[in-house]
Amino acid sequence: DSGVTQTPKHLITATGQRVTLRCSPRSGDLSVYWYQQSLDQGLQFLIQYYNGEERAKGNILERFSAQQFPDLHSELNLSSLELGDSALYFCASSVAGMGSYNEQFFGPGTRLTVL
Amino acid sequence: ILNVEQSPQSLHVQEGDSTNFTCSFPSSNFYALHWYRWETAKSPEALFVMTLNGDEKKKGRISATLNTKEGYSYLYIKGSQPEDSATYLCAFNHNAGGTSYGKLTFGQGTILTVHP
Repeated sequence: DSGVTQTPKHLITATGQRVTLRCSPRSGDLSVYWYQQSLDQGLQFLIQYYNGEERAKGNILERFSAQQFPDLHSELNLSSLELGDSALYFCASSVAGMGSYNEQFFGPGTRLTVL
Repeated sequence: ILNVEQSPQSLHVQEGDSTNFTCSFPSSNFYALHWYRWETAKSPEALFVMTLNGDEKKKGRISATLNTKEGYSYLYIKGSQPEDSATYLCAFNHNAGGTSYGKLTFGQGTILTVHP
């Protein structure tokens, strides 16, 4: 158990809908990262937040957005869902963002299925 | 686009065999190289973070080396056991102008199966 929690574990929804994935980092970690794992792709970095601020952005679609709250938990919002958004979404956390070696600890993931 | 390549894609070994696999990454703007172990139905588990050229890290029967000048890292498993069966991922963290953000670029992984 890494100490990172994610909810829900599974999510099934329809195309066009909007969902919110939630992540709580390990105690003391300031950075939260979101990754997408699709069937035909490796782990793809989406976005990083550090202490409430966006720090780095990857190949995140405009239909997706994220935020990190004052208590450091983070939410990833996915809207206008398409079949191709079906994937495993991981959250990871680390002690600090800038100037650290960014060792990241992964949560159990949320399996999103879009029908 | 950063290219992180792992080889081989998959590997089948017998219990007790020693094995190794490779991660290739860009040799410029290096910040750190991460190794993760990912078992089916679980989340990736951090093995090593390697930060300096010539770094060698060891955890039990697993060890790793790093060559930043030529852009590769090796992961070794000595005396493989069935419980070592997993996907081994490497991830490259590049140096963004003197500091680093947390974006990790992952390789596709090496799937290791250890047969009893």
